This record gives sequence, C-alpha cells and structure tokens, in this order.
Amino acid sequence: DTAVSQTPKYLVTQMGNDKSIKCEQNLGHDTMYWYKQDSKKFLKIMFSYNNKELIINETVPNRFSPKSPDKAHLNLHINSLELGDSAVYFCASSLGTNEPYEQYFGPGTRLTVT
Amino acid sequence: LAKTTQPISMDSYEGQEVNITCSHNNIATNDYITWYQQFPSQGPRFIIQGYKTKVTNEVASLFIPADRKSSTLSLPRVSLSDTAVYYCLVGAYGGSQGNLIFGKGTKLSVKP
Repeated sequence: DTAVSQTPKYLVTQMGNDKSIKCEQNLGHDTMYWYKQDSKKFLKIMFSYNNKELIINETVPNRFSPKSPDKAHLNLHINSLELGDSAVYFCASSLGTNEPYEQYFGPGTRLTVT
Repeated sequence: LAKTTQPISMDSYEGQEVNITCSHNNIATNDYITWYQQFPSQGPRFIIQGYKTKVTNEVASLFIPADRKSSTLSLPRVSLSDTAVYYCLVGAYGGSQGNLIFGKGTKLSVKP
C-alpha cells in the first residue's frame, strides 16, 4: 500500500511541450508538496498545498502550476517545457504545518526535456 | 530559516557507529532539527527529529547541545544498506512555514 504515489515515474519530452505529473496520497494528510531535485542533487521546495489552498510558492516560474482537485491529490502541470526543467520531481505530504510533522515523499518522477 | 552545514561525505565500515554533525549557528527559538535519509532513485525518508537534548528511536539517536547551534545524528552499527545521503534540516512550523529547506546533505558510504 503505497502512501504517496506519483505518475509517471519517467517522462521524456521535447522543449515547448506541456506535461503533467500526478500525485496521490492515501494517508489522510492535509498538506501536500512538490519538490525539485536537480542534477547536483539539491532538493528545493516548489509548492505546498494545505487543505487545497496554496500556502507556499517559492518563486517558481508561472509555467509551473499546481492543481489540487481534492485533499488527496496534488498534480503539477508544466507549460512550455525548457531544458532546465529536467530534474527529478518529488511529491510529499504531511499531516499539516502547525506542528513539526514528518513529510512522506513519493518515489519521484524523472523528467527529461530534450 | 537557519542555514545548515554538514560534511559532504563520510566513509565507514559495517558494524561501526557513525556520527554526522550538522552546524546551524543561526537556529531560531522555534526551530526544530530534522534529519532525512535519501537512497538513490528514491524520495527522502524521515529519520528523526528533535528540539533539544537527546532523542532516540529504533533507527538513530539525535544529540543536541544546550546552545542548539549544532546537532549530531548517530547511527549505531551501520550496515551496507545505510549507504545513502543524510540531510540535516532546521525550520519552524506553523502557518506558511511548513516547508523544509534541504542542504547539500552528507553522502555516507558504508564499506564491508
């Protein structure tokens, strides 16, 4: 029983295309996140959603848009893909943000833009 | 959020105790210290969290001195499967501060 799942695991696409990555958590958590891990292995937060409301946007380009249809899902849509978008994208979730709750990460989606 | 500094890499042998120290000189009063572990091609996994003194769970111990300007993750009797990157994070919680800031991490290599 996977706690946080992401699809697809691998995504290869060309510059200029639009793509989406899906994330689902079955933990009943209130907060979900998207992180980007680049080739140097730096892991940076992109967005977080708490009860379907965006509470963090770390100056990510507006080509990236998180969409949360419900509390259990946080999808990441990327428009006009660029070479620099190539990275591993991780989804995560936590009970909330008012306590130091641990975050549960998904397996990651490796995006390659050619 | 406080910046953290930890060694880029460490080597150890199976069965040894490994201590990874993290410096966070600018830690704030309401900051917690959290450690995550990441295996290749996987997402980070929570290991342990503390605020002060010592915390122990089934996986590791976390030692935090009184001034809280550093912390040490202790892994007892490591095995080959403990080879991973270990991240030290410092941050507060509440409202919009639920985000985690990951540093460069410490790459631990356990040898037979």
